[in-house]
Order: sequence, then structure tokens, then C-alpha cells
Amino acid sequence: DTGVSQDPRHKITKRGQNVTFRCDPISEHNRLYWYRQTLGQGPEFLTYFQNEAQLEKSRLLSDRFSAERPKGSFSTLEIQRTEQGDSAMYLCASSISGLAGVETQYFGPGTRLLVL
Amino acid sequence: AQTVTQSQPEMSVQEAETVTLSCTYDTSESDYYLFWYKQPPSRQMILVIRQEAYKQQNATENRFSVNFQKAAKSFSLKISDSQLGDAAMYFCAFLGGTYKYIFGTGTRLKVLA
Repeated sequence: DTGVSQDPRHKITKRGQNVTFRCDPISEHNRLYWYRQTLGQGPEFLTYFQNEAQLEKSRLLSDRFSAERPKGSFSTLEIQRTEQGDSAMYLCASSISGLAGVETQYFGPGTRLLVL
Repeated sequence: AQTVTQSQPEMSVQEAETVTLSCTYDTSESDYYLFWYKQPPSRQMILVIRQEAYKQQNATENRFSVNFQKAAKSFSLKISDSQLGDAAMYFCAFLGGTYKYIFGTGTRLKVLA
């Protein structure tokens, strides 16, 4: 168990460019979540997958954002035509469903995005 | 909609002393979970402690314990024998039936040597 990993850890881009982030969950975890965290705030939910199915999307996820989880393993989050307001830390978390008791989410180190 | 409120943006504690971080929440659900996560500077979020709402007994994990008051919708974190490594942002989180966490705005804990 190597934990949740995210790549890249930092990304600087110019406004209008597209960026893609990758998340590799803990191997046996079937649920995967994306959150966004801005400075001085707690993480805010963006979307979540159970296996390869995207089951919920937040209203924060505008049509410039798209997330995928092909084959129910790693996930990608793409932001098209980035805006300065997209600058934030993007966190990925994973969990396993079906076990008795509380379902705890385990977080990756995040990808910090700066849009110039 | 559920909300989580952390009213203390920053707290300080002397090394070896005890500190309590506050969290209140609002929900109409009866079955839910509460968590405290620690986020050290430039490092990933780590689970500190969790509490199932149906359990009356307060959770404890070594130096960390909670005071869960379901009727008052309060979930405070007590850190005993504070250590320099405890310095971090602490987030309170609520998990109901929607599988997504609702986080508070966090409390920055400073530990003074």
C-alpha cells in the first residue's frame, strides 16, 4: 500500500491553456474523489467515481472541467481554457466501499495549480 | 444542506500542554460520521481521528480525543501533551449519506517551544 499519489505536484500555466492532473488511488479502493482547496479554506468537493462511473458532480465543476476514471483505476482531471480563478490545490482521495463501519477517505498530496 | 463551522482560525499551545479545537455542524441526518484531519504545511492531509454518530463513546487515539455532543452538534478535538510535530492546519469534516466530505475552514495550530 503506497498511498494515494498525484502528478504533477505543481503546475504553472498561462491563462487559456489546458492542464491535466492524474491521481492514482490506493490499489484496492473502488471510490475516488476530487476536491479543490483554495488558500485559507477547507477542501470543497468536485466529483466522485465508484469504479469507472462518475456518480456525482458539484456545481463547482463548470463545463471547462472534465474528469475520467477509465477502467476504474487512475483518474484524470482536465481543466480547459484555464482562468486565474482556477488557481488552487486539487486534492484526490480514495476509499473502499462495502466494508462494515465508517468509510474513511485517504488523501493524496495534491496538485497545486497556478494560472498566470 | 450540511455545514461545518470551525470558529477558531488560529490557536496556540505550549509544548506539553493541552489544547481543544472546536467544531460545530448542522445536519438533519441521524446517521453520519465526523472526522478530524491534520494538514501539515506543504504536506498531505492525514486522518487524526473519526467518530461514528451512533456511538455514544467518544473516540480516542493516543494523545488525541474528541468530545462528541450529538444533541448540540458539537465535535471538538483535544490534543494532550502537545508536540512540535502537531503544528498544522486541522480540518473538521462531516460525512453523511452522500459520500462526500463537508469540511470546515480549518484551525491553524501553533505549538510553542
